[in-house]
Amino acid sequence: KNEVEQSPQNLTAQEGEFITINCSYSVGISALHWLQQHPGGGIVSLFMLSSGKKKHGRLIATINIQEKHSSLHITASHPRDSAVYICAVRSYGGSQGNLIFGKGTKLSVKP
Amino acid sequence: EADIYQTPRYLVIGTGKKITLECSQTMGHDKMYWYQQDPGMELHLIHYSYGVNSTEKGDLSSESTVSRIRTEHFPLTLESARPSHTSQYLCASSRVEGSPLHFGNGTRLTVT
Repeated sequence: KNEVEQSPQNLTAQEGEFITINCSYSVGISALHWLQQHPGGGIVSLFMLSSGKKKHGRLIATINIQEKHSSLHITASHPRDSAVYICAVRSYGGSQGNLIFGKGTKLSVKP
Repeated sequence: EADIYQTPRYLVIGTGKKITLECSQTMGHDKMYWYQQDPGMELHLIHYSYGVNSTEKGDLSSESTVSRIRTEHFPLTLESARPSHTSQYLCASSRVEGSPLHFGNGTRLTVT
């Protein structure tokens, strides 16, 4: 069982819908990352958080350290949001590069 | 904005060939990383560097080697490619521990 689990694995939405992607982890962490991987393979860092909530444009990331759970929300989804969203955690004592990655959630937003 | 560059983008090569995947960044980051990602699977760290002349192996066993002679350059070399090396290789960098990672666009390697 992977130490970082994401749900759902695949998600199809209609343009304009509110989307939630979930990430649960089983280790103590110092930080959690949300990443976006485009169909071509490139990865963009969306958020890095260790507590509370962060917002950037239509994206909101929250984390509950006690419950070992994080969510990524997309408001007013658009076809250009179609990508794989990856959750990754940095465990206590772990190095920045040695993150533990989830397998990703593949999001497809239909016009 | 791509401040970290990987070449080639795609590579198809025969078994036994020596290959070098290039990664360069213009941000002056000390920390650089190589990840391997199989289709539909999670990323795994194969090498990292915290600065010039500093390289370490990651958790995933890899037959590749890396070098860090200059801050901006972190090439990965496979001395003798095998079909089991077919995968996507992603390079990343960060300014300091705890700062966001910047990824390149990846090199998709196919060994026939």
